[in-house]
Amino acid sequence: QVQLVQSGAEVKKPGASVKVSCKASGYSFINNNIDWVRQAAGQGLEWIGWMSPKNGDTGYAQKFRGRATITRDISTSTAYLELNSLTSEDTAIYYCARYSNPVDFDTWGQGTQVTVSS
Amino acid sequence: QSAPTQPASVSGSPGQSITISCTGTSSDFGNYDFVSWYQQHPGKAPKLLIFGVNHRPSGVSHRFSGSRSGNTASLTISGLQAEDEADYYCCSYSLGRVFGGGTKVTVL
Repeated sequence: QVQLVQSGAEVKKPGASVKVSCKASGYSFINNNIDWVRQAAGQGLEWIGWMSPKNGDTGYAQKFRGRATITRDISTSTAYLELNSLTSEDTAIYYCARYSNPVDFDTWGQGTQVTVSS
Repeated sequence: QSAPTQPASVSGSPGQSITISCTGTSSDFGNYDFVSWYQQHPGKAPKLLIFGVNHRPSGVSHRFSGSRSGNTASLTISGLQAEDEADYYCCSYSLGRVFGGGTKVTVL
């Protein structure tokens, strides 16, 4: 079955970077865009950006441009989100989601808790 | 790029119908029939309920339906059940994806 499995929880200090992975299985990785969404505790969903695994094209929400980078490794069917210059406001659960045109985000990863604390 | 507006909470009794609104600007919904709805239970990842304004993915109950009128999209839950108690988010496209603020549904 289609599945996205994310890496484990991370604890980082302010100013550091974090890289979260999202391994896809059960379908052809290059055929579907992967998006990243985050959710702070008790808050709503916030879209970060997208990537086309086929050609590596990316797009980011204005808030994250220059600070977030989405990449992929086709050989392992894995997408990555790297976020730099972390502050306490980046403490959140980070989700990857598969986009299926026209069905939208039909599969989500289990989420990765990122905690930024000194 | 501003988030569409949803009511913070909606409640109903079992068996009743409730509707959650999602109001955006013309740039949020514009010419796109591109509104989806997600359900999220505590501690779980979101789950797709509706895409393309009013289409249900396979496996989603017929009790969930979507519609849109102008700059307002709506999700209706018919025959409310205890398991429907969750947070609900609309999602549209406007220079990238944007989620509504979320609505907490309580089953009385």
